[in-house]
Amino acid sequence: TQLLEQSPQFLSIQEGENLTVYCNSSSVFSSLQWYRQEPGEGPVLLVTVVTGGEVKKLKRLTFQFGDARKDSSLHITAAQPGDTGLYLCAGSNFGNEKLTFGTGTRLTIIP
Amino acid sequence: DTGVSQNPRHKITKRGQNVTFRCDPISEHNRLYWYRQTLGQGPEFLTYFQNEAQLEKSRLLSDRFSAERPKGSFSTLEIQRTEQGDSAMYLCASSRGQGGPAKNIQYFGAGTRLSVL
Repeated sequence: TQLLEQSPQFLSIQEGENLTVYCNSSSVFSSLQWYRQEPGEGPVLLVTVVTGGEVKKLKRLTFQFGDARKDSSLHITAAQPGDTGLYLCAGSNFGNEKLTFGTGTRLTIIP
Repeated sequence: DTGVSQNPRHKITKRGQNVTFRCDPISEHNRLYWYRQTLGQGPEFLTYFQNEAQLEKSRLLSDRFSAERPKGSFSTLEIQRTEQGDSAMYLCASSRGQGGPAKNIQYFGAGTRLSVL
């Protein structure tokens, strides 16, 4: 069974600070996605990374896929209250496109 | 493109009752997925369809659960003889399943929150 563990589980920081969320597995994934979920809503895709070592930027968010495609990180620069939410990483493999989700990181940005 | 639609948004039922949820995927999306999410956890895969064919079922999907996608469009998820442990958010997602690098991107609905009393 492939498992994805995220750390930290909870994070509460002041507006303007930087933060990094980690997603780790002992298994290799063909691709890894990051989602953000608001209370009472479904997850919304932020990014997909498919190549080991790949780095993608989405405004103040930087995503990195580990060289061995077993781990990933999400870095947010100058966090804003609108970044508050549940961040989920999810891995998938070619030929079996079901997503294996991580345990989630609940982020709260304090104004 | 109206997105993935799920109904109802909330369902409260008594233990032992049957419930059915509906998911309307994005039009022309061939693949449809069901996930379950309990409080404080990430979603867990239940099953998925390629058109009308159910291709994979998780061990989480006990014999009280059944999913259908009869015409390859909308899907239903039925839970028979509900138990309190079935209380969760049930999420549906769809993807194109063909054509180009974005074919496997899954778009999620807002979910159906089930509470079993």
